[in-house]
Amino acid sequence: AQSVTQPDIHITVSEGASLELRCNYSYGATPYLFWYVQSPGQGLQLLLKYFSGDTLVQGIKGFEAEFKRSQSSFNLRKPSVHWSDAAEYFCAVGKRSTGNQFYFGTGTSLTVIP
Amino acid sequence: NAGVTQTPKFQVLKTGQSMTLQCAQDMNHNSMYWYRQDPGMGLRLIYYSASEGTTDKGEVPNGYNVSRLNKREFSLRLESAAPSQTSVYFCASSGPGLAGGPYTGELFFGEGSRLTVL
Repeated sequence: AQSVTQPDIHITVSEGASLELRCNYSYGATPYLFWYVQSPGQGLQLLLKYFSGDTLVQGIKGFEAEFKRSQSSFNLRKPSVHWSDAAEYFCAVGKRSTGNQFYFGTGTSLTVIP
Repeated sequence: NAGVTQTPKFQVLKTGQSMTLQCAQDMNHNSMYWYRQDPGMGLRLIYYSASEGTTDKGEVPNGYNVSRLNKREFSLRLESAAPSQTSVYFCASSGPGLAGGPYTGELFFGEGSRLTVL
């Protein structure tokens, strides 16, 4: 069965510091991969996605993620965090075979301190 | 530009009561989804509809029913609410894409419906 693991429940970083959020997936083939962000009381917004091609993908708000097939990972990075980046971040996989199911990790809560 | 609209945003029920969460999207998407979000559990798929006229179970379908009323609307019904169904429910849609075909898009989410069952 497919699964998504986000090992860090909560991360605290200082404003201006770099950020890396980890995501590992278990799937029989290369899935579609996504990172979503959720601000308090809001729905989820897509940050970036990987379908194929270049394994380093750029997203909105200065985020990027790298797909590493050998490690079954899709880690999210940002070189310099802003206070407005404080939110919950979710990694998700989509099944290519059936096309219409998505599975989410348990999320990583990010706190940014001045 | 409404996107995905869910109603109601808040609801309090007593155990055993029934209710329906409504969801509508105006993006002409084929696929629609219902998720529940619980602390420490992330989002779990309850049901999804790959296209108008079809529905399928997700990870946690027990205690729920769904109806894909037309291409725009996808409702979630709790026939006999239980405290374990206290959660935040999200509707989402995706497209373009044909049922059973390779997915090529992203999920668009509503703002959520907070349900409390006493």
